[in-house]
Amino acid sequence: DAGVIQSPRHEVTEMGQEVTLRCKPISGHNSLFWYRQTMMRGLELLIYFNNNVPIDDSGMPEDRFSAKMPNASFSTLKIQPSEPRDSAVYFCASRRLLAGLGGELFFGEGSRLTVL
Amino acid sequence: DQQVKQNSPSLSVQEGRISILNCDYTNSMFDYFLWYKKYPAEGPTFLISISSIKDKNEDGRFTVFLNKSAKHLSLHIVPSQPGDSAVYFCAAIMGAQKLVFGQGTRLTINP
Repeated sequence: DAGVIQSPRHEVTEMGQEVTLRCKPISGHNSLFWYRQTMMRGLELLIYFNNNVPIDDSGMPEDRFSAKMPNASFSTLKIQPSEPRDSAVYFCASRRLLAGLGGELFFGEGSRLTVL
Repeated sequence: DQQVKQNSPSLSVQEGRISILNCDYTNSMFDYFLWYKKYPAEGPTFLISISSIKDKNEDGRFTVFLNKSAKHLSLHIVPSQPGDSAVYFCAAIMGAQKLVFGQGTRLTINP
């Protein structure tokens, strides 16, 4: 079975440019998370969706960040305009939410973003 | 506001000895705890978990202990092997909500 698929694996862009990160969760999973990994804060939750609906976006740093989940098999995280401090590894993860109980998260391999 | 804390950024252990990774949390409503392992250039992978109704869960060389009164959990690896060298994240969850992760501890197993 395919795991969580993220693209691109690496992105180098210049400050001010728009960045779009993509995620395909595991088929059958109905909960999707976006995390950012930094040295200082570890794995920082940005936003998560249950059944395609955003539940908690309190971790989104600024209005420059936005995330969408138009259907159960696709999500995007967009940064516009990007800044050097956005440089990090961004992880997407999914899980199957059963009867209101949380389950194990499965992570993608991450998208390493470098903003020059 | 860091609800899950791993106060040791790094740990070095001799091969064959026990590795003990620690994690503290502040929210007493957390009811499920997990440990993830991460190798460079890969996503974190699930290692072991424990429900708040238990105080110990064992899986092969890995054991997780939970002390609810102290809001503390630990991961024991014994015996430690070179392949265990990785970054370990502890995470906590409340009901069906978000997983909150700690900052991670880099474990190095020396031959």
